[in-house]
Amino acid sequence: DIQMTQSPASLSASLGETVTIECLASEDIYSNLAWYQQKPGKSPQLLIYDASSLQDGVPSRFSGSESGTQYSLEINSLQSEDAATYFCQQHHDYPYTFGAGTKLELK
Amino acid sequence: QVKLLQSGAALVKPGDSVKMSCKASGYTFTDYIIHWVKQSHGKSLEWIGYINPYSGGTNYNEKFKSKATLTVDKSSSTAYMEFSRLTSEDSAIYYCARGPFDYWGQGVMVTVSS
Repeated sequence: DIQMTQSPASLSASLGETVTIECLASEDIYSNLAWYQQKPGKSPQLLIYDASSLQDGVPSRFSGSESGTQYSLEINSLQSEDAATYFCQQHHDYPYTFGAGTKLELK
Repeated sequence: QVKLLQSGAALVKPGDSVKMSCKASGYTFTDYIIHWVKQSHGKSLEWIGYINPYSGGTNYNEKFKSKATLTVDKSSSTAYMEFSRLTSEDSAIYYCARGPFDYWGQGVMVTVSS
């Protein structure tokens, strides 16, 4: 199975700041990576697919990038509603696997 | 609009089975596969498998192959997952999601307790 190592496990940031969350794949996943946002008591919501494509309706302050097997989610100009847990997921090979999650707290 | 409506929470005894549903609306049911995902309390997500509503074909995570059975009823646009021989490790929230994970159900909380 492909392992997705996500970091950091948690972070705290202020409104208006920019944060970056990373996922390292254990092998090449050819940009087949998605990012999700999950708020407490809610289902995950797709933010980014194919490493850098923004899902319809997702604010443009969210962006995804890649460098080799390292994938990043950047959130610019943090808003209060961005407080959530974020997960990466590889959809290159079955079984699909997820990162452990990053809990983002707003100061 | 696209919706996936899942069945309600379940409290089951160890060794029992549970069958949960995922009713799709707002799109052509047979055009997209349905994935199932497990989220244990406070933890990350695990992909269980998918079913193709058009063909009935399935693909399971090896970890859940002897545990989960996926089926569909095309006439009612509903996907089902049956989880068998339940233990406390199966207590979790189970989600269905339309491939490519762009729409998710609200989740079913399953509690396994005697």
